[in-house]
Amino acid sequence: ELKVEQNPLFLSMQEGKNYTIYCNYSTTSDRLYWYRQDPGKSLESLFVLLSNGAVKQEGRLMASLDTKARLSTLHITAAVHDLSATYFCAVDWVSGTYKYIFGTGTRLKVLA
Amino acid sequence: ETGVTQTPRHLVMGMTNKKSLKCEQHLGHNAMYWYKQSAKKPLELMFVYSLEERVENNSVPSRFSPECPNSSHLFLHLHTLQPEDSALYLCASSQEEDRRQFFGPGTRLTVL
Repeated sequence: ELKVEQNPLFLSMQEGKNYTIYCNYSTTSDRLYWYRQDPGKSLESLFVLLSNGAVKQEGRLMASLDTKARLSTLHITAAVHDLSATYFCAVDWVSGTYKYIFGTGTRLKVLA
Repeated sequence: ETGVTQTPRHLVMGMTNKKSLKCEQHLGHNAMYWYKQSAKKPLELMFVYSLEERVENNSVPSRFSPECPNSSHLFLHLHTLQPEDSALYLCASSQEEDRRQFFGPGTRLTVL
């Protein structure tokens, strides 16, 4: 059974600080995705990571993928209040049946 | 209209009612998805349609019945629901080759 685990589940940090969210998955996957969800709103795609060693950056967020360790990280640099949201990673694979599994989410609160 | 739209945004229904949720995507995608998002649970994939054919049904109770009349529209027909079915129901679409998902705003469903 494919499992996707994120940690931490909750993160409260000061503006200007750096932090990393971790996403572990339990079996081989084709791709890894990161999404953001603001309170009361829907999910927004942030990154798609396609291969081992892939790194993508946008603004203060940088995502990386290590397929051998089955680990992705979402690094936050110099956090600002606008980054407060819930961040989800997800993995999928197409092998027989189609699976798209989301992690539990990390609720991030950036304090001014 | 742009992106993925869902109607209604909020729905309250009794356990004996029949209702339908509607999703429309304006992105030219060829795959559509229904998800259930409950408090304290990971996002759950319910149904996947690719090129208007259902390719995945993740052991969803038969009181949920999807319909995909064309690649732009997706419905979720509801009947004799239970209170534990109360949740946010999200529709998403993607291009099959890319698989990055674009989500609608969701329908907040309450079953009394």
